[in-house]
Amino acid sequence: EVQLVESGGGLVKPGGSLRLSCAASGFTFNKVWMSWVRQAPGKGLEWVGRFKSRADGGTTDYAAPVKGRFAISRDDSKNTLYLQMNSLKTEDTAVYFCTTGANTLSFWGLGTLVTVSS
Amino acid sequence: DIQMTQSPSSLSVSVGDRVSITCQASQDIRNYLNWYQQKPGKAPRLLIYDSSNLETGVTSRFSGNGSGTDFTFTISSLQPEDIATYYCQQYDNLPLTFGPGTKVDIK
Repeated sequence: EVQLVESGGGLVKPGGSLRLSCAASGFTFNKVWMSWVRQAPGKGLEWVGRFKSRADGGTTDYAAPVKGRFAISRDDSKNTLYLQMNSLKTEDTAVYFCTTGANTLSFWGLGTLVTVSS
Repeated sequence: DIQMTQSPSSLSVSVGDRVSITCQASQDIRNYLNWYQQKPGKAPRLLIYDSSNLETGVTSRFSGNGSGTDFTFTISSLQPEDIATYYCQQYDNLPLTFGPGTKVDIK
């Protein structure tokens, strides 16, 4: 059974940093592209970015609002995906979901809440 | 960026009713369109991929069709457990973009 468990969310001040983790199990992690999607309170879904599998180049793509501030990485030895968030803004407040897939987001974690507020 | 619109934004229906949701893309996205269901406080769940393919384990009450810019998601006979918000999502171009969602509840 595929499981994705996000952690690392919390309250952070504007301009601060936070690193989210996503622990994966139930599938061959190193073969799968992984993505982050976020959802602001009461709002819709917004794609954040993705990390290709190493076999497919191991590169990243980002949405414009986070490019240059957020960085996605992965540790295939630990079956874990990361989202390093720097220079956080109030508009980054959201639940952050880890998902499998690059284009079709097949499995989702339960999400972790990030609140950016002074 | 490709803009996705959905209509209606919400609807109230009776159990057993047929429900149709439309999704329109701002440009041709071929059949690169997925549908997700999100129940309150839960993660989204993939229902339909490539416009019309039912994800494994998803009830056949759900179906999708369309190509180009116009797509439709249908629930053939609404059940209480179908109460949720439904999102379309395109993957023809980056960034991946979602529709604003359609909230379905019971009349």
